[in-house]
Amino acid sequence: KTQVEQSPQSLVVRQGENCVLQCNYSVTPDNHLRWFKQDTGKGLVSLTVLVDQKDKTSNGRYSATLDKDAKHSTLHITATLLDDTATYICVVGDRGSALGRLHFGAGTQLIVIP
Amino acid sequence: DMKVTQMPRYLIKRMGENVLLECGQDMSHETMYWYRQDPGLGLQLIYISYDVDSNSEGDIPKGYRVSRKKREHFSLILDSAKTNQTSVYFCASSSWDTANTEVFFGKGTRLTVV
Repeated sequence: KTQVEQSPQSLVVRQGENCVLQCNYSVTPDNHLRWFKQDTGKGLVSLTVLVDQKDKTSNGRYSATLDKDAKHSTLHITATLLDDTATYICVVGDRGSALGRLHFGAGTQLIVIP
Repeated sequence: DMKVTQMPRYLIKRMGENVLLECGQDMSHETMYWYRQDPGLGLQLIYISYDVDSNSEGDIPKGYRVSRKKREHFSLILDSAKTNQTSVYFCASSSWDTANTEVFFGKGTRLTVV
């Protein structure tokens, strides 16, 4: 059973627009949550990690929120660029150490058009 | 330079052939992982290695084995490849504290079994 659900599955925006990606999960316990960016044919690159019960992070044009009570996270991308075209993957870690498992969502495919 | 390197990047094998996928990292990370990524699914853990000769099965180990004889090197072996092992394979590495330190991914190996 899928424990990390991402929506939308795909999204097309115009360059300069903002967008919001959603991640809902049922992983228990939920120690931390990461957002990764995966360019086509490439590996995953970490964008941010959220740890606290209600957490917010910011990394340039990327900002993210986590609400562990709701088991929900969002990734906001501001003023999108063509280079933001990629798949964004939500990952929930059930422990803070390598003894835990990382639970991966299937990703949201973002396409930024001129 | 923090890097996970996978070789080869692309591979075509016939059913029944043996397959060796190689992964190296230059960060002296104790923990290394092998995942596979299939369309529409999140990454699935095949094997995890906590250090040299300290390997554990992940969620889908059947049909695979691993070898870690040096901390910086982790191999994935398919004995007698099957068509359903056609996939993109990712190697990753991390330190023990997965919540507060980065998880680094290689660029992937696209394996096609015909």
